[in-house]
Amino acid sequence: EAQVTQNPRYLITVTGKKLTVTCSQNMNHEYMSWYRQDPGLGLRQIYYSMNVEVTDKGDVPEGYKVSRKEKRNFPLILESPSPNQTSLYFCASSSRLAGEDTQYFGPGTRLTVL
Amino acid sequence: SQKIEQNSEALNIQEGKTATLTCNYTNYSPAYLQWYRQDPGRGPVFLLLIRENEKEKRKERLKVTFDTTLKQSLFHITASQPADSATYLCALEGGGSYIPTFGRGTSLIVHP
Repeated sequence: EAQVTQNPRYLITVTGKKLTVTCSQNMNHEYMSWYRQDPGLGLRQIYYSMNVEVTDKGDVPEGYKVSRKEKRNFPLILESPSPNQTSLYFCASSSRLAGEDTQYFGPGTRLTVL
Repeated sequence: SQKIEQNSEALNIQEGKTATLTCNYTNYSPAYLQWYRQDPGRGPVFLLLIRENEKEKRKERLKVTFDTTLKQSLFHITASQPADSATYLCALEGGGSYIPTFGRGTSLIVHP
């Protein structure tokens, strides 16, 4: 089954404690991205990657890092989380080579930073 | 600045009627526009994509129109059902940007 998986699904942490949210896709997609979704603000892109070892900033990259060492994985790293990073996070992947940018989203990770 | 507007008020309709949702944009020249469905606490699910040179696209009970002059897309669900109740997001991308911009979504509630 074609899917994007994220782990963990729920996470409560404290300010300053480094964390990583993993994302994996099994569709051999080149393009992957991370979004955060906040009430009243909608989906905002954090980082995206066009292929292995190619990443770039989205609209709200501050406080986040990403890496793309393998095509299927695109982890999101919060080196020093702060309460304003409490949000619902989504990973997405798509294949742009086909000319159709249909994004497949993961189930989401609800992060609370105390 | 680029802006996408979707009606923030929920759309309430009766089962069997046609639901019409609106996506307006400004300061944008999108290559294509997409519509997604999102259920509470879940990731968006792709529904339809329409390109700038297409005026209309259909898929089963869904229809999307795209008017680049009016800078507007309309999303229609015919013969709506309570199971269609969800939030619907539009997203635009184009101009060489790889950053799709999402609207905030419109909540649709279909009453039995």
